[in-house]
Amino acid sequence: EAQVTQNPRYLITVTGKKLTVTCSQNMNHEYMSWYRQDPGLGLRQIYYSMNVEVTDKGDVPEGYKVSRKEKRNFPLILESPSPNQTSLYFCASSPNQRHTEAFFGQGTRLTVV
Amino acid sequence: GDSVTQMEGPVTLSEEAFLTINCTYTATGYPSLFWYVQYPGEGLQLLLKATKADDKGSNKGFEATYRKETTSFHLEKGSVQVSDSAVYFCASQAGTALIFGKGTTLSVSS
Repeated sequence: EAQVTQNPRYLITVTGKKLTVTCSQNMNHEYMSWYRQDPGLGLRQIYYSMNVEVTDKGDVPEGYKVSRKEKRNFPLILESPSPNQTSLYFCASSPNQRHTEAFFGQGTRLTVV
Repeated sequence: GDSVTQMEGPVTLSEEAFLTINCTYTATGYPSLFWYVQYPGEGLQLLLKATKADDKGSNKGFEATYRKETTSFHLEKGSVQVSDSAVYFCASQAGTALIFGKGTTLSVSS
């Protein structure tokens, strides 16, 4: 089954404690990206990757890092989380940047206290 | 910059009612347009898409037509069901990103 898998689904952490949210896709897609969803704001792109070792900032990259060492994995790293990073995070993948067949993970609800 | 505006919710309908959720976009050029649906506790699923002017996307009884002259992509369904209750997002493709509207919550009662 074609899917994008994120882990964990839920996470509560404290300010400043480094964390990683994993994302994996099994469709051999080149393009992957991370979004955050906040009430009244919709989804906003954090980072994206066009292919292995190629990553770039989206609209709201501050406080986040990513890496793309393998085609299937695209982890999101918060080196020093802060309460304003409390949000619902989605990983997405698609065959190319035109998003005509974009697949989203089930989301990770992160709370930073 | 590019943006997507969709009608505020929530939208509350009775089963079998007609649904319209308005969506307009601003963009340089002619982006691909999408409607995504998010059921409670789940990720976004692509509902339908249109890649050029006058294209009509359709799926599960939902339809939307890409109107270049009005820069719109309104979502319609002739007869909604309780199972259609969800949050609906209009989106446009802008370069390397999808630009999303803020989402419209639809609640259908029997």
